[in-house]
Order: sequence, then structure tokens, then C-alpha cells
Amino acid sequence: NAGVTQTPKFQVLKTGQSMTLQCAQDMNHEYMSWYRQDPGMGLRLIHYSVGAGITDQGEVPNGYNVSRSTTEDFPLRLLSAAPSQTSVYFCASTKRTTLNEQFFGPGTRLTVL
Amino acid sequence: AQKVTQAQTEISVVEKEDVTLDCVYETRDTTYYLFWYKQPPSGELVFLIRRNSFDEQNEISGRYSWNFQKSTSSFNFTITASQVVDSAVYFCALSGLNDYKLSFGAGTTVTVRA
Repeated sequence: NAGVTQTPKFQVLKTGQSMTLQCAQDMNHEYMSWYRQDPGMGLRLIHYSVGAGITDQGEVPNGYNVSRSTTEDFPLRLLSAAPSQTSVYFCASTKRTTLNEQFFGPGTRLTVL
Repeated sequence: AQKVTQAQTEISVVEKEDVTLDCVYETRDTTYYLFWYKQPPSGELVFLIRRNSFDEQNEISGRYSWNFQKSTSSFNFTITASQVVDSAVYFCALSGLNDYKLSFGAGTTVTVRA
């Protein structure tokens, strides 16, 4: 199993540009989520999904969109990038039988100029 | 709402010293999970331990041990005989028992000097 994969690893955007961060898992996990990590703030939940076709907002959803058309994939879209979205983004997945242990991807470091 | 507080921002120790990381949490849930994650300098998040709110028994796993006290809403984590490879950021986190959303503390940076 590849586990949770994220692409790209690094990205630099200009203010106003849009892009999609990719996340995929091959563990047949029903639950997937996106977090952002900022210095001194830990990780904060952006969006999550409890299964294909079902998504919901987390703590800091503004400026981000998600969709879940398959169990495996959960892309995060930045519609119009802002410098405040400079962060490290982590995708995670889990399922009931793992007792809430989240499996995290390697992260994407995004810089918005 | 859930909240996790890690009051220690940074801890620096000399190798072989013990390190205790403090974590205090707030939740309205009566059942929940508590976690510790490690983030080494390479940046990935590594799951260390999980404790559910039903079980206050404290355990030891190798050089790791934890002290869960529901009465004070604390979930402290200790590394015994620290090593340079223990240098990392350590996060305490909380989720409801049937809720996969994690609430993280701000993290504690541990530096172990040789």
C-alpha cells in the first residue's frame, strides 16, 4: 500500500491564482480530511468527508473547496490564492476499525506571494 | 467545542534526560480519544499513542509513557532517557469517539542535545 499520497510537495503561487492540491489513499478509508499547519497554531481542520459524495466544513474552510467523487481521492481547491493561505497542508484518512487513528500524507508546502 | 492546550512551546534537554510534555484539553463529549503525534524535522506526522476516555490506566511503551487524568483533563507524555532522534515537534490531539475530526494543540518543540 502507498498509504496517503499528496502532490505536489512544494508549490509557489501568485496572489489570485488558483490550484488544486491532490490527495489519494489506497486503504479504502471512508473518512478523509484536510488540515493546514501554521507556526504556533498546530493543525487546523479545513474540510472533511465521511464518504464519496459527502463533504463538510471544518474549522477554517474559507477560500477552499473540496469534492469527493471517489473513495480514493479528495482534492483541495484554492479558488483565488491569498498570502494568508501560505501554509503546510496535510491530507489524512481513517476508518472506523482504526479507532480514529489518522493516517497522514507527507504534506504540501504552499507559498503564496 | 474542543480545545487542546500545550503550554510548553519549547523544551531543550541533554541526551538521557527525561522529558515530560503537558497537554490539557476541553471537551463536552463524554467519550473521546486522546492522541500524541510526533513531527520530526523531515515534516511527516507520526502517530505515537492513543488513549480512550474509558481507560485511565497509565501505560509504558518502550521509552514512552503517558499519564491520563480525566479529573484534571490532562494527558501528559513522557520520553524516558531521551535521544537525539527524539528531537521533534510533539502534538497532542483530541477527537470524539465517533467523530473523526481532530483538534490539535499548538505543539511543543523538543530539542535533545548530545
